[in-house]
Amino acid sequence: NAGVMQNPRHLVRRRGQEARLRCSPMKGHSHVYWYRQLPEEGLKFMVYLQKENIIDESGMPKERFSAEFPKEGPSILRIQQVVRGDSAAYFCASSRGQRMNIQYFGAGTRLSVL
Amino acid sequence: GQQVMQIPQYQHVQEGEDFTTYCNSSTTLSNIQWYKQRPGGHPVFLIQLVKSGEVKKQKRLTFQFGEAKKNSSLHITATQTTDVGTYFCAHADFGNEKLTFGTGTRLTIIP
Repeated sequence: NAGVMQNPRHLVRRRGQEARLRCSPMKGHSHVYWYRQLPEEGLKFMVYLQKENIIDESGMPKERFSAEFPKEGPSILRIQQVVRGDSAAYFCASSRGQRMNIQYFGAGTRLSVL
Repeated sequence: GQQVMQIPQYQHVQEGEDFTTYCNSSTTLSNIQWYKQRPGGHPVFLIQLVKSGEVKKQKRLTFQFGEAKKNSSLHITATQTTDVGTYFCAHADFGNEKLTFGTGTRLTIIP
C-alpha cells in the first residue's frame, strides 16, 4: 500500500539549470496538490491538478514554474532557470478529491540551488 | 483567501509539561485540520474539525474548534520526546480543497 511517492528526495542544481520534481499519488487518488516550504516557514499552496487538467494554479509564480499531471505517469513540477530563491522543500499531496477529503503528503523534494 | 495565524511560533517545554498551540482566523472557517511535521519530515494529518465547538481527543492530544469557528487549539498533555516537531493548523478551501496553512508552532522538549 504505497503512499505518495516523490523523487528525487534531494536535488542540487546550479543557477540557470532546470529542476524536475516528480510525484506519484496514492493508489486510487486522482487529485494532486503541490506545496512549497521555505526554510523555517509554513507550507504555501502552489497548484492543484487532476489528470490532464490544471484546476487551480493561483499559487504558482508566473514565470519559470509549470506543472502537469498526464494521463499516464506521475505529476511533474518543473522549474526552469532556477535561482537561489527557489531553494526549498517541495511537497506533493494527493486525495480522492471528495469534499474535505484528507490530503496525504509525500516525503518531499529538497531543492538546493547553488 | 483565508489567512490563518498561529501562536506561539516556538515553544520549549520540559518533558512532562503540557503544551498548547492556538490558531486564529479573522473570518469564519468551514473546517480546520491539524498536521504534525517532524524535523526534516513531511506533514502528517492528525485530525479534522468541522462543527462549532467541536472537541476531539487522541490519547494525550485534545483538539478544539471555537464556537464562532474562527479559532482552534491543540493541547498536548504530559509531553514526551516523541512530540517534538512543528504543529500546523490548516484550512481546506471549499470547492478545490487546497490547504491554507498556519505559520506553525515548533515544539522542542527539554529532557
